[in-house]
Amino acid sequence: QQQVKQSPQSLIVQKGGISIINCAYENTAFDYFPWYQQFPGKGPALLIAIRPDVSEKKEGRFTISFNKSAKQFSLHIMDSQPGDSATYFCAAMGLRGYQKVTFGTGTKLQVIP
Amino acid sequence: ETGVTQSPTHLIKTRGQQVTLRCSSQSGHNTVSWYQQALGQGPQFIFQYYREEENGRGNFPPRFSGLQFPNYSSELNVNALELDDSALYLCASSLTGVSSGNTIYFGEGSWLTVV
Repeated sequence: QQQVKQSPQSLIVQKGGISIINCAYENTAFDYFPWYQQFPGKGPALLIAIRPDVSEKKEGRFTISFNKSAKQFSLHIMDSQPGDSATYFCAAMGLRGYQKVTFGTGTKLQVIP
Repeated sequence: ETGVTQSPTHLIKTRGQQVTLRCSSQSGHNTVSWYQQALGQGPQFIFQYYREEENGRGNFPPRFSGLQFPNYSSELNVNALELDDSALYLCASSLTGVSSGNTIYFGEGSWLTVV
């Protein structure tokens, strides 16, 4: 059961360009939406997160846009750099009960010079 | 660095054997979760421990079991290993409480290969 759908599966962006990754969720009990960045051989690292009462959150070059009515959210990476090349996972959590993170399927981003 | 440490980093086991993976949570964190990440996929929640008890479990069979110790460190045990158990096993550390926030920190993982 895939509760968080993520696209695209892979993405190639020119250096300086904008990388956009989209996610959609089904479970309305989710009320916290983190994004994780994972480099090969490493564990996922929290990048940025948003709650559904906010439509946008920006931290440096990373921006989350959130559409609660459509149950969709996206990550925008501005001025993409080769060092951003990694796999990105959107995720969702409920804040009640135990802290289970439900991950999307991942997007492998490659930023080329 | 997240402060979550896991051991061993890599190991190879034979089908049918048992394995124990270990995790030390970030200082001050009282909750530990375990995830399984198969190659090319997102991590899947196995279970969570809080106050030394399992308080949440994903869709994994009983041969996946765990422990949490008074110092909040944790073990993941897998019995009767199958080839499909080959994966990266991630430990995640967090704080459960009134003013805990929502940040969950992952370790670097333990790579398990079952042959």
